[in-house]
Amino acid sequence: DTGVSQNPRHKITKRGQNVTFRCDPISEHNRLYWYRQTLGQGPEFLTYFQNEAQLEKSRLLSDRFSAERPKGSFSTLEIQRTEQGDSAMYLCASSLARVEGYTFGSGTRLTVV
Amino acid sequence: GENVEQHPSTLSVQEGDSAVIKCTYSDSASNYFPWYKQELGKRPQLIIDIRSNVGEKKDQRIAVTLNKTAKHFSLHITETQPEDSAVYFCAASIPGFGNEKLTFGTGTRLTIIP
Repeated sequence: DTGVSQNPRHKITKRGQNVTFRCDPISEHNRLYWYRQTLGQGPEFLTYFQNEAQLEKSRLLSDRFSAERPKGSFSTLEIQRTEQGDSAMYLCASSLARVEGYTFGSGTRLTVV
Repeated sequence: GENVEQHPSTLSVQEGDSAVIKCTYSDSASNYFPWYKQELGKRPQLIIDIRSNVGEKKDQRIAVTLNKTAKHFSLHITETQPEDSAVYFCAASIPGFGNEKLTFGTGTRLTIIP
C-alpha cells in the first residue's frame, strides 16, 4: 500500500469516552500532519511531526488531545473525555519534505453522541 | 497567523465552459499555494500548486495564477467535464522551521451541469 492509511474509518463514541486514531504514513515520508475537518469547512491544522519530534501544535489542540509518533513511523491521536464538539473528520497527511507534496489519508470520521 | 479567504462558496457551470475560483491570503510571507480537490466522502487530493517565484502554472485543463502584490491566487479549469464536480480548497503556507502547515480556505463546491 503506497498511500496514507487511517484507522478506524468511522468511530461513534459516547460523550466522555476516550478515543484513539491511528495513521500510517507513506513509508519514506518523514513528515506527518493531523488536521480536523468539519462539514462545509476546509481542513484545520492540529499538529505535525518531523520523524518522532512533534514540532508544532495548534491552539485548537486542547489538553484533551494528544498525539504521538514514537518511532517516527505511525502516529496516534488520542482524544480524552470526548465532547460533542469533537465530532469531525480527522485527517492525517504525510510528506517527504515540508508541506509540499502532502498526501492525505481518507480520514477517521468521529461522531460523539 | 495566516488567513485564507475563498470565493465563491458554490459555483455551477455548463459542461465545456470554464470555472474560476479565487483566494486571497493575508500574510505576505506565504510562498506556497496548493489547490486540493475533494470528492464526496473522499480524501483531499492535490491537483496543482504554485510557488511565489512563479506567476502562473498550467497542467492540461487546470491552471493557477498568483498575484503576490495583491495577495491573491486563482484556479482556472477550462473545458469542464462532469468529473470536475467536487469541492475545491485553496491553501497557503508560510515557510520556516516550526511553522510548517497549510492554512485552507473554506472551499468551493463546483457543479458541472451536463
